[in-house]
Amino acid sequence: GAVVSQHPSRVICKSGTSVKIECRSLDFQATTMFWYRQFPKKSLMLMATSNEGSKATYEQGVEKDKFLINHASLTLSTLTVTSAHPEDSSFYICSARDLGLEQYFGPGTRLTVT
Amino acid sequence: GQSLEQPSEVTAVEGAIVQINCTYQTSGFYGLSWYQQHDGGAPTFLSYNALDGLEETGRFSSFLSRSDSYGYLLLQELQMKDSASYFCAVRDRRTGGFKTIFGAGTRLFVKA
Repeated sequence: GAVVSQHPSRVICKSGTSVKIECRSLDFQATTMFWYRQFPKKSLMLMATSNEGSKATYEQGVEKDKFLINHASLTLSTLTVTSAHPEDSSFYICSARDLGLEQYFGPGTRLTVT
Repeated sequence: GQSLEQPSEVTAVEGAIVQINCTYQTSGFYGLSWYQQHDGGAPTFLSYNALDGLEETGRFSSFLSRSDSYGYLLLQELQMKDSASYFCAVRDRRTGGFKTIFGAGTRLFVKA
């Protein structure tokens, strides 16, 4: 099946710094990528939908200036958490959709902000 | 908006059969998916139903009734490794494309 990678898998950063998370589709082209956030023992919450070459569409309540999304190519989307705070600590998961509308999830990135 | 409801927890014994129900409400329904997630891991895809009926994949089956806005995941011959969280998710059609919205998840505990 299709493979989606995320980098880094874990990151610890200090409060006030910015962190970039990469999501790559390794063997298919993804016109659309999604970013989810998951708190411990909770569901996946869709943050934004990212279409290649255009601005991301953010879900209600998600600050677009806080979570910057760039989808510069058909295989790469990035999520940058700006001026991170401890409450931003979470598990961030991306998924990529191929032309057949199947959605494949990355392994996730665990962010800890100290 | 969209909403999905599924039980928060289910406990069953090894070798048994368990059914996890999911009801949903959405205006742009396109299909219902099920995902498994072990603690600390990413969700893995189990099944997808776009049409009414039962889809079987090994020990797992998934059912959908679009008229009832209802589906379920059936796990047979339970094994200890099946202890995990199970999420139903609707594929929702919106302007500009589709997106997948997840339910709150059902934690399955399999006992020996």
